[in-house]
Amino acid sequence: EDQVTQSPEALRLQEGESSSLNCSYTVSGLRGLFWYRQDPGKGPEFLFTLYSAGEEKEKERLKATLTKKESFLHITAPKPEDSATYLCAVFMDTGRRALTFGSGTRLQVQP
Amino acid sequence: GAVVSQHPSRVICKSGTSVKIECRSLDFQATTMFWYRQFPKKSLMLMATSNEGSKATYEQGVEKDKFLINHASLTLSTLTVTSAHPEDSSFYICSASGEAYEQYFGPGTRLTVT
Repeated sequence: EDQVTQSPEALRLQEGESSSLNCSYTVSGLRGLFWYRQDPGKGPEFLFTLYSAGEEKEKERLKATLTKKESFLHITAPKPEDSATYLCAVFMDTGRRALTFGSGTRLQVQP
Repeated sequence: GAVVSQHPSRVICKSGTSVKIECRSLDFQATTMFWYRQFPKKSLMLMATSNEGSKATYEQGVEKDKFLINHASLTLSTLTVTSAHPEDSSFYICSASGEAYEQYFGPGTRLTVT
């Protein structure tokens, strides 16, 4: 069965304390992996797409990496405004365009 | 970047009435649109996938007669919750996808059925 698992469920960091969020997947025919950020009461905001193992993408304090089994979202020197739920989702080679989402990591960055 | 809007952002309706939610892609043509439902502190649950001009494909367990989806143009999809009941109260989010695989999400609609 195709699965996407995110860990940890929740993470509390001090401002400036770097860390990583994990998204592991067991799917057949991965076509792409997406990272989104979601603030309470809002729709997910697109962050990155990764297509192949070894690929990395960066945006400000965020860096996403991909291997054949998992993806990491590294947050360097986070600020309180980085507090949000981070969702990963996979797009598979099934002919369907739907994404399969993980359950998310709720990040809280304290000043 | 790609922008998707939803209207209304919040709606309160009485039990037994119907509610329509609009989803628009503002700066690109969306060949496929998706409707999700999200419960508090939970991830997104896909309800249906719709392609412009075609009937929507519903996920298992989603009542197609209750959640009517229309994708009449490349920039507009609507979700109508028919004969709404309190258990239909939720956060409904649409997303839109163009030629690439990325999905861009709308801001969501909070539906409360009293």
